[in-house]
Amino acid sequence: NAGVTQTPKFQVLKTGQSMTLQCAQDMNHNSMYWYRQDPGMGLRLIYYSASEGTTDKGEVPNGYNVSRLNKREFSLRLESAAPSQTSVYFCASYLSTSGRAHEQFFGPGTRLTVL
Amino acid sequence: QKEVEQDPGPLSVPEGAIVSLNCTYSNSAFQYFMWYRQYSRKGPELLMYTYSSGNKEDGRFTAQVDKSSKYISLFIRDSQPSDSATYLCAMRDYKLSFGAGTTVTVRA
Repeated sequence: NAGVTQTPKFQVLKTGQSMTLQCAQDMNHNSMYWYRQDPGMGLRLIYYSASEGTTDKGEVPNGYNVSRLNKREFSLRLESAAPSQTSVYFCASYLSTSGRAHEQFFGPGTRLTVL
Repeated sequence: QKEVEQDPGPLSVPEGAIVSLNCTYSNSAFQYFMWYRQYSRKGPELLMYTYSSGNKEDGRFTAQVDKSSKYISLFIRDSQPSDSATYLCAMRDYKLSFGAGTTVTVRA
């Protein structure tokens, strides 16, 4: 099992450019999450998908959109990147029906720099 | 005020020392309390979790939760250089809320 995979690993954008971060999991998890991690701020939830076909805003959704393409894949899109979106982005997943909702599995992250 | 407060450190200790990490929180609805470990340039991984108040031990690691004080702790005994990482506390109601993380360096 590859677990949670993310592409790309690194990206540099200019202000105003758009891009999509990809996430996939092969653990048959139903719930998937996008976080950003900034120094001193911890992990902050951007969007989540409790199940295929549903998405909800998290703590910091402004400037982002998401798509739950199927059970495996959950993408994050920046329509018009801003320097404030420079961060490390993590995708996570878990199986909510397992009763172990604390056990989120994280991908390796995407390091994004917006100039 | 953040829901979860964690001193970011950094914390540097000699090999073999006891590492003590802690977090405070404000949301009384939290029931699950977790510690994640994150190595440099990697994603976080679950280290330990505790449900409600009490202690939990796993090898060299001990997690404590005091819900009356809204305070959780993680202790690492006989620390090793391989324990050098950032430790994030996390708590759950309908979602996970994370602390800022404490960076720990264990010196050989």
